[in-house]
Amino acid sequence: GENVEQHPSTLSVQEGDSAVIKCTYSDSASNYFPWYKQELGKGPQLIIDIRSNVGEKKDQRIAVTLNKTAKHFSLHITETQPEDSAVYFCAASPYTGGGNKLTFGTGTQLKVEL
Amino acid sequence: GAVVSQHPSRVICKSGTSVKIECRSLDFQATTMFWYRQFPKQSLMLMATSNEGSKATYEQGVEKDKFLINHASLTLSTLTVTSAHPEDSSFYICSAQTSSGELFFGEGSRLTVL
Repeated sequence: GENVEQHPSTLSVQEGDSAVIKCTYSDSASNYFPWYKQELGKGPQLIIDIRSNVGEKKDQRIAVTLNKTAKHFSLHITETQPEDSAVYFCAASPYTGGGNKLTFGTGTQLKVEL
Repeated sequence: GAVVSQHPSRVICKSGTSVKIECRSLDFQATTMFWYRQFPKQSLMLMATSNEGSKATYEQGVEKDKFLINHASLTLSTLTVTSAHPEDSSFYICSAQTSSGELFFGEGSRLTVL
């Protein structure tokens, strides 16, 4: 089955700096890679996703890059703000229709300091 | 993004009683929903896949008679924790899948069994 590793487990940045979180996956059949933000006591919120037919996707301050050959993908947050502080999870799945069963990474606690 | 509502957000019950948690997709139909369990500072653990009109598919090690799942309509799935015990105390989260395969999560339900 799929195995997703995520690094770092904790990340502390100064407000305004960039933050990068990296994930690797094992199943070459995986083709869908979402990122979720989870605030304390709440459910995960989908912030961006990428499918294997593109290498990069951007949405305002958030971008995701995908390297299929190396089987890794990364989340980039620019101009970080205190409200970006949360736990971020990457995930992967070999979605071809039917149920999209995600395998999650272990999470990264991001802290944006003033 | 799409909205998924989960209720109740918090529930406290006595040992031996049953608790029902509801998951609703408010602005889209979801043929497939998923139920997860999350322990403090850990990732999401998939418990089961809920399919509208058919039996749920449980992950290895999850007792189907303990965690009853019903997906009676395209917008509602329920998880019933039967004969709850303190070790069942946890954060339970559902997700609903859109027609394009994206998963949107509910806000989670904190179950405390006394």
